[in-house]
Amino acid sequence: DVKVTQSSRYLVKRTGEKVFLECVQDMDHENMFWYRQDPGLGLRLIYFSYDVKMKEKGDIPEGYSVSREKKERFSLILESASTNQTSMYLCASRQSWSSYNEQFFGPGTRLTVL
Amino acid sequence: AQKVTQAQTEISVVEKEDVTLDCVYETRDTTYYLFWYKQPPSGELVFLIRRNSFDEQNEISGRYSWNFQKSTSSFNFTITASQVVDSAVYFCALSEANSNSGYALNFGKGTSLLVTP
Repeated sequence: DVKVTQSSRYLVKRTGEKVFLECVQDMDHENMFWYRQDPGLGLRLIYFSYDVKMKEKGDIPEGYSVSREKKERFSLILESASTNQTSMYLCASRQSWSSYNEQFFGPGTRLTVL
Repeated sequence: AQKVTQAQTEISVVEKEDVTLDCVYETRDTTYYLFWYKQPPSGELVFLIRRNSFDEQNEISGRYSWNFQKSTSSFNFTITASQVVDSAVYFCALSEANSNSGYALNFGKGTSLLVTP
């Protein structure tokens, strides 16, 4: 079974802090994604990566950056956390570059910025 | 523009009732894929089904069935004889072959299903 893990289930940070959210997948998937989920808005794509060291902006990249130095790990970085970044963050991976393949999701990190 | 619309925000049913979750999508692509995911209270999205745009056959898996109709751009999901364990948020999603977002999934806003005993 594909396993996607995220470093924390719950995280509380203060405004202005630099925040790292880590995601690791164990199935050698090429593609990885970061979404945020907010009530009434569904899931929105922040960034994605189709290979190591490659990254592309999604629909709402402002205030975020990402890093993918190794194939199995995709990090989401909040350079200076703000209260409007309080949300559930979901990481996903996908086998390869295709609209056919399903994405596998991690359990999510619920981030609260005070 | 919203590409996937799930008009039902919340649905509440009593156990053993049948329930249908609606999904309407919008795309100009001729090749695309539709997905349903389940998000239980634990938070992790679980893949349920994929359907490609060239296959309009309905699918049944146990108590779950899916009705794909290109004429109405709909991909509805029916749970027969619902159970309490079906309580979750259900997302419909679209992946387009001519995507400039890495074939990322376009999600609907989800339908929260509550099944009570």
